[in-house]
Amino acid sequence: KNEVEQSPQNLTAQEGEFITINCSYSVGISALHWLQQHPGGGIVSLFMLSSGKKKHGRLIATINIQEKHSSLHITASHPRDSAVYICAVRLGGYQLIWGAGTKLIIKP
Amino acid sequence: DADVTQTPRNRITKTGKRIMLECSQTKGHDRMYWYRQDPGLGLRLIYYSFDVKDINKGEISDGYSVSRQAQAKFSLSLESAIPNQTALYFCATSGLDGYTFGSGTRLTVV
Repeated sequence: KNEVEQSPQNLTAQEGEFITINCSYSVGISALHWLQQHPGGGIVSLFMLSSGKKKHGRLIATINIQEKHSSLHITASHPRDSAVYICAVRLGGYQLIWGAGTKLIIKP
Repeated sequence: DADVTQTPRNRITKTGKRIMLECSQTKGHDRMYWYRQDPGLGLRLIYYSFDVKDINKGEISDGYSVSRQAQAKFSLSLESAIPNQTALYFCATSGLDGYTFGSGTRLTVV
């Protein structure tokens, strides 16, 4: 069983829809990261969370430490949001355990 | 200029050749990493360095070596490239503000 599970693996939605991507993990963590990988391959860090909720523009990330679960939400989705969204959890120190990613396609 | 710069962006090389991938950063971070990404898989850690004198193997270090020439520079070498090292390679740094990734190097070994 993978220590970091993302769902769904693939998601196709229409422009304007509210998007939710989930991440569940099975280990104790010091922080959780959400990252975005563009079709060209570049990776951008979106959020680093250890508790609660963070918001940046149309993106919202939440984490429930007790339930070992995090969600990434996108409001008013747009085709430019199409990317792979990756959840990674940080154990103590340096080590990151990566999810396999969720491929999101937003159709105009 | 990008915070983390990788060169080259793309490279095709022959089996058995030695190849070096370079990474430089302007973030001022002490911690630097090399990852590889294969289709459908998460990133896997090859090597990491917490400062110039501290270099550590990651989960898939066999067939690779690294050099931390300065705080800002961390290079990855494939001593004798083989086809299953064909992948997308990322350099990253980390600090209190999180992780910053380079744009990646797409390496093909033929």
